[in-house]
Amino acid sequence: DVKVTQSSRYLVKRTGEKVFLECVQDMDHENMFWYRQDPGLGLRLIYFSYDVKMKEKGDIPEGYSVSREKKERFSLILESASTNQTSMYLCASTLGRMTGYQETQYFGPGTRLLVL
Amino acid sequence: AQSVSQHNHHVILSEAASLELGCNYSYGGTVNLFWYVQYPGQHLQLLLKYFSGDPLVKGIKGFEAEFIKSKFSFNLRKPSVQWSDTAEYFCAVNWRGSTSGTYKYIFGTGTRLKVLA
Repeated sequence: DVKVTQSSRYLVKRTGEKVFLECVQDMDHENMFWYRQDPGLGLRLIYFSYDVKMKEKGDIPEGYSVSREKKERFSLILESASTNQTSMYLCASTLGRMTGYQETQYFGPGTRLLVL
Repeated sequence: AQSVSQHNHHVILSEAASLELGCNYSYGGTVNLFWYVQYPGQHLQLLLKYFSGDPLVKGIKGFEAEFIKSKFSFNLRKPSVQWSDTAEYFCAVNWRGSTSGTYKYIFGTGTRLKVLA
């Protein structure tokens, strides 16, 4: 079974702090994704990566950056946290870039971030 | 912008009732369709998916979905729900993007289902 893990289940930060959310997958997947999940808005894609050091913006990249230095790890960075970034953050992965459009996404447990 | 609509935000049913959750999308090209489920306290996981072939797709736990291309719909059904089906259900659509090797993956806003014992 694919396992996607996220570094924290719950996180409380203060406005202006730099926040790192880590995601690791153990199945050698090429594609990794960061979403935020908000009530009534569903899942919205922040960034995705289809290879090491490669990234592409999703629908709501403002205020976020990402890093993928190793294939198994995809980090989401909030450069200066703001209260409107309080949300549930989900990481996901899929097997391969060229077949990725037909593939199931495997999700981590999520990180619930509260920015005060 | 392309979108995926789930018109039912909250659904409450009694056990043994039949379920149908609506999903409509706006992209006019070839799509792949998914339903994901998130049980309380658990990860989002795949319920079923459609790529091609028979438009009636069967998934886990007795769920099925029908792709109706002319209606841009992919509704989820279950003939008789159980208390354990209480969860949030997300429809998702994806397609190959215009840039080689990229694709779009869009989720609906979700439907919270509560099944009363």
